[in-house]
Amino acid sequence: DAGVIQSPRHEVTEMGQEVTLRCKPISGHNSLFWYRQTMMRGLELLIYFNNNVPIDDSGMPEDRFSAKMPNASFSTLKIQPSEPRDSAVYFCASSLHGGGVAEQYFGPGTRLTVT
Amino acid sequence: SQQGEEDPQALSIQEGENATMNCSYKTSINNLQWYRQNSGRGLVHLILIRSNEREKHSGRLRVTLDTSKKSSSLLITASRAADTASYFCATDPGGSNYKLTFGKGTLLTVNP
Repeated sequence: DAGVIQSPRHEVTEMGQEVTLRCKPISGHNSLFWYRQTMMRGLELLIYFNNNVPIDDSGMPEDRFSAKMPNASFSTLKIQPSEPRDSAVYFCASSLHGGGVAEQYFGPGTRLTVT
Repeated sequence: SQQGEEDPQALSIQEGENATMNCSYKTSINNLQWYRQNSGRGLVHLILIRSNEREKHSGRLRVTLDTSKKSSSLLITASRAADTASYFCATDPGGSNYKLTFGKGTLLTVNP
């Protein structure tokens, strides 16, 4: 298996632009998680899906952030409009069961820089 | 707020030595997991210990859990330069809350 796939690996954009991050979870996994990692705040859970349904989006910072999972093999995290404080590494992870019941498999991350 | 807090924040040792990292948490848990992150990479799951377990081994890794003290430790024996990475503990509170809450990690440097 190729593992969790994220694209792009790096994104540099200007303030105000729309950013879309993409994730393909491991085939057969039924839970998907989006995290953000910064030096100041560490690793933060933004949202997670179970069987393509958003279960908890309380970590989404504000309305500029949105996430979708139209099918079991694809998810997107969108930031519109982007701001410099959104600069971070965004990780997608998937697991076979739900949440902490099983280990999570992380993608390589997308390093986002907003200037 | 962070549920798991690792200690120390950074640790530097020589190859061949043992490395011990600690994790403290605040609320009851269903299980606790340890992950490793190499620079510029995603996190990799190392080991999961359930709340009714006290110790678990995997290769050169040994994890202990003390639920009365709300703490866990990760021991890496006979460290190698390739073990250089950040190590995170993550807690699962169980129930209907499926969130894993990660600490800020311990940066381990193993000098050759």
